[in-house]
Amino acid sequence: NAGVTQTPKFQVLKTGQSMTLQCAQDMNHNSMYWYRQDPGMGLRLIYYSASEGTTDKGEVPNGYNVSRLNKREFSLRLESAAPSQTSVYFCASHRGREEKLFFGSGTQLSVL
Amino acid sequence: AQKITQTQPGMFVQEKEAVTLDCTYDTSDPSYGLFWYKQPSSGEMIFLIYQGSYDQQNATEGRYSLNFQKARKSANLVISASQLGDSAMYFCAMREGGGGADGLTFGKGTHLIIQP
Repeated sequence: NAGVTQTPKFQVLKTGQSMTLQCAQDMNHNSMYWYRQDPGMGLRLIYYSASEGTTDKGEVPNGYNVSRLNKREFSLRLESAAPSQTSVYFCASHRGREEKLFFGSGTQLSVL
Repeated sequence: AQKITQTQPGMFVQEKEAVTLDCTYDTSDPSYGLFWYKQPSSGEMIFLIYQGSYDQQNATEGRYSLNFQKARKSANLVISASQLGDSAMYFCAMREGGGGADGLTFGKGTHLIIQP
């Protein structure tokens, strides 16, 4: 049982390049999330999707776009990467509001 | 104002001692949930314990317990008989029951180091 799978695990980009972070869950969860983690800042919500076909902005959405491709997959796109987007990115999902979040293993992104 | 406050950036504790990690929260919603996660140096996020705002008893999971004081808006994590493997970052998080984003809001974390 894979849970939440994120790819890639590591990525280095140059300023202005674009990339998509992929996330898939096999637990039939409705809600999926993208967080970023910066030193001393905890985890901050970028975007979320409460169900297939819907997406909403979180606390720090600027510079990102998302796609909920189907119930399993939720991707995060950086159209024009900036050094301020250097961070660790986590995808997560959950079954219901009272349930814990299941996290992927994270993507370490560096933008030079 | 911060919704989740963790006032201890770092803690050093002797092995086998009990540890209390502080967490205070701010919400006007009567329905909310409080979570604790552990993040070891390998980076994964590990769920430890959950407390609902209407739960009458403090949550416990093995060596972990949550000291929930609703009037004081605190949800401290207690680790009994600490072990070297407990060294990690610990995050307190809250989910509020109202509309809008239903993801978790995280505190900035406490870096716990267990010393032999």
